[in-house]
Amino acid sequence: DIQMTQSPSSLSASVGDRVTITCRASQGISNYLAWYQQKPGKVPRLLIYGASTLQSGVPSRFSGSGSGTEFTLTISSLQPEDVATYFCQKYMSAPLTFGGGTKVEIK
Amino acid sequence: EVQLVESGGVVVQPGESLRLSCSASGFTFDDHAMHWVRQVPGKGLEWVSLISWSGESTHYAASVHGRFIISRDNTKNSLYLQMNSLGPEDTALYYCAKGFLTSTTTFFDYWGQGTLVIVSS
Repeated sequence: DIQMTQSPSSLSASVGDRVTITCRASQGISNYLAWYQQKPGKVPRLLIYGASTLQSGVPSRFSGSGSGTEFTLTISSLQPEDVATYFCQKYMSAPLTFGGGTKVEIK
Repeated sequence: EVQLVESGGVVVQPGESLRLSCSASGFTFDDHAMHWVRQVPGKGLEWVSLISWSGESTHYAASVHGRFIISRDNTKNSLYLQMNSLGPEDTALYYCAKGFLTSTTTFFDYWGQGTLVIVSS
């Protein structure tokens, strides 16, 4: 099975900073990669699919890129409401594995 | 408005069985694959199982294969997860999730609030 590895597992950044989270697949998955945001105590929310397509209603400061085995989620200007854990997920085939998550905090 | 409402989570003893349900509304249920995802509170997400729109195709995570059975009733807009031979490792919040596309393997655009399963003696 394909494994998904996220890095870092946590990060602390200042408001306005550019934040980048990486997700690596153990085998190529083309662009079958989604990103979710989970705020504390809340349900996960779809941010990006197809590696780079922004879900409707998601602020444009979020962007995704990559293909094959390496992907990134970028927050161009971190806002206080972006405090959350972010998960990547591959969906090319079952099992639909999630990455371990990246917890983003405000410094 | 899409709504997914899970139910059935309780405290059970190791070895027991449990059936979770998910009631869906606000979309054409039989147009979409449906999924179960679980999360130990404070930990990561684990995809558990999927079922195609028709119910003919199912897939399971290795951790539950042979113990859990996913099913759906399109006449009732409902998704189910029969959980057998439960162990402490199955303790988690179980989410029902809607597949975005009609294809079986896809990402999830809506999630329920989850139902908590605790396996403990």
